[in-house]
Amino acid sequence: AQSVTQLGSHVSVSEGALVLLRCNYSSSVPPYLFWYVQYPNQGLQLLLKYTSAATLVKGINGFEAEFKKSETSFHLTKPSAHMSDAAEYFCAVNFGNEKLTFGTGTRLTIIP
Amino acid sequence: SAVISQKPSRDICQRGTSLTIQCQVDSQVTMMFWYRQQPGQSLTLIATANQGSEATYESGFVIDKFPISRPNLTFSTLTVSNMSPEDSSIYLCSVEGGLVLTYGYTFGSGTRLTVV
Repeated sequence: AQSVTQLGSHVSVSEGALVLLRCNYSSSVPPYLFWYVQYPNQGLQLLLKYTSAATLVKGINGFEAEFKKSETSFHLTKPSAHMSDAAEYFCAVNFGNEKLTFGTGTRLTIIP
Repeated sequence: SAVISQKPSRDICQRGTSLTIQCQVDSQVTMMFWYRQQPGQSLTLIATANQGSEATYESGFVIDKFPISRPNLTFSTLTVSNMSPEDSSIYLCSVEGGLVLTYGYTFGSGTRLTVV
């Protein structure tokens, strides 16, 4: 069955530390992969996407993600966390049927 | 990428009533999607709306409860019918611009619904 898993519903990092948010998927076909961010009381904003080009994808606000087919993963990273990065992050996958399937989300807290 | 205007941004409704949410896109799009985000939860797809055809509903969602209209390529409505407190959620519309490789999926700012 096709699914998206985000490990860790809550992640806390210190300001300036590395941010790592994990996303794994299950699919027999190459998917399209997305990371979205949701700030409090706002809609979803696209951070970055993988669409079968370069496996290392750079997005907005200093975030990047690497598609690893062998690990069926698409983890989101940022070298140095900023207070403004505190938000909910969603990994989403298009399994080739026009729809997006979302992971359960990870709430990122930045410790001053 | 497309720009979506979603209205209302929030509402408080009495149980047993209905609310219609509007989604206006600034460009023509083939597919529009409606999602529900329950408090503290992720997004769940309610239905996919194509212009000129009946909406396709996901498992657990029915047309009588969530009727959808798609009169043209830039507009859609979702109605939440006969509401109960369990319908309190954020409802979001989304579009895929036809060029997933370039634009991804764009989301409206959401409608925060509270049923009392």
